[in-house]
Amino acid sequence: GAVVSQHPSWVICKSGTSVKIECRSLDFQATTMFWYRQFPKQSLMLMATSNEGSKATYEQGVEKDKFLINHASLTLSTLTVTSAHPEDSSFYICSARDPAERYEQYFGPGTRLTVT
Amino acid sequence: KNQVEQSPQSLIILEGKNCTLQCNYTVSPFSNLRWYKQDTGRGPVSLTIMTFSENTKSNGRYTATLDADTKQSSLHITASQLSDSASYICVVSEYSSASKIIFGSGTRLSIRP
Repeated sequence: GAVVSQHPSWVICKSGTSVKIECRSLDFQATTMFWYRQFPKQSLMLMATSNEGSKATYEQGVEKDKFLINHASLTLSTLTVTSAHPEDSSFYICSARDPAERYEQYFGPGTRLTVT
Repeated sequence: KNQVEQSPQSLIILEGKNCTLQCNYTVSPFSNLRWYKQDTGRGPVSLTIMTFSENTKSNGRYTATLDADTKQSSLHITASQLSDSASYICVVSEYSSASKIIFGSGTRLSIRP
């Protein structure tokens, strides 16, 4: 199947700093990518839908000014956690749809963010 | 409200045994149902995808069933291995322009030697 990568796989940052997470579709072009966060022993929660060339669509309760999403190309979407706080510590996962496969959605390996 | 309910929440079985995980959904209109395996600290990996017209799909030792009338799905794992220890997530997609997907809370499966 198709491959989605994320970078970094883990990051530790100080409170108040910003962190950027990259999500790449390695062997297909993804017009739509999704960003999720996952707390321990809980399921994935959709944060936003990232559309190439347009503004992201955020889920209710997700602060768009805090979680900046940029989908500048068909293979790259970035999530920037601005002014991070300890409560932002979580596992962030992206996914992408391969237009050539009608229903499949490929997930990245995730990024563990720890804010101290 | 569109929901996906999974049971049991957690399950412990001995290596070599079989098990069945359940998924009930109320998503409508229905597009497709997917089962994912998520290892701890990793992203989910797709196991099976089923549309309305499919009632069973196999992937090695994993067999998923779908009853679109009762809105129930199951994932059967045969001859379990230690590497099957993971969370198994049922995901159902709406048939709409938004194609919203709804995640179940997952079943945490532990295989004991």
